[in-house]
Amino acid sequence: QLVLTQSPSASASLGASVKLTCTLSSGLSNYAIAWHQQQPEKGPRYLMKVNSDGSHTKGDGIPDRFSGSSSGAERYLSISSLQSEDEADYYCQTWGTGFQVFGGGTKLTVL
Amino acid sequence: EAQLLEFGGGLVQPGGSLRLSCAASGFTFSNYAMSWVRQAPGKGLEWVSTISGSGDSTYYADSVKGRFTISRDNSKNTLYLQMSSLRAEDTATYYCAKEKTATTGWFDPWGRGTLVTVSS
Repeated sequence: QLVLTQSPSASASLGASVKLTCTLSSGLSNYAIAWHQQQPEKGPRYLMKVNSDGSHTKGDGIPDRFSGSSSGAERYLSISSLQSEDEADYYCQTWGTGFQVFGGGTKLTVL
Repeated sequence: EAQLLEFGGGLVQPGGSLRLSCAASGFTFSNYAMSWVRQAPGKGLEWVSTISGSGDSTYYADSVKGRFTISRDNSKNTLYLQMSSLRAEDTATYYCAKEKTATTGWFDPWGRGTLVTVSS
């Protein structure tokens, strides 16, 4: 069964950096994932796709402060120079023919 | 720029029916699979259903299988979700999303969502 696991919450100070993690279930470490951001009271927005080799493809207009990486079954979203508008929920997603799976989401608080 | 706009949400009684629409613009609609994703109040994202670009293939989450029907009209650039036998647990904001290829892929972009409330 394909499961994506995310920590429910994370926090970091304004101007600092943070790294969010999405862990793929056992045996599925070759899957790519996508990261999406959902600001309060808004719909989700695609940030980037992260491949198993750590390469990533960002969506249009996504700032350079956002980057992706991988290690084994873990996929990461790194945000540097945190701004107040980065306070949001972040979801990872993976897919295949006939299915889509989301992680539970991480609520990022910018202190 | 690809854009999606959902319509049709509202208040419906348990056991009732509702049809959602999603108007697409800014891309060749028939070239891409499309999906519905929902979010219950205060909860995370839940995939509901996907339809291939041609409309020949459809897929559903177990939670809605047999009650919801996804369809598309490529001549009108519009995606639909027919919901029947609605339950309180179907209460959510429903988003439509474009997939990366004609058959699957990640979601980009998303619509703004339409709220469906199932209550007596």
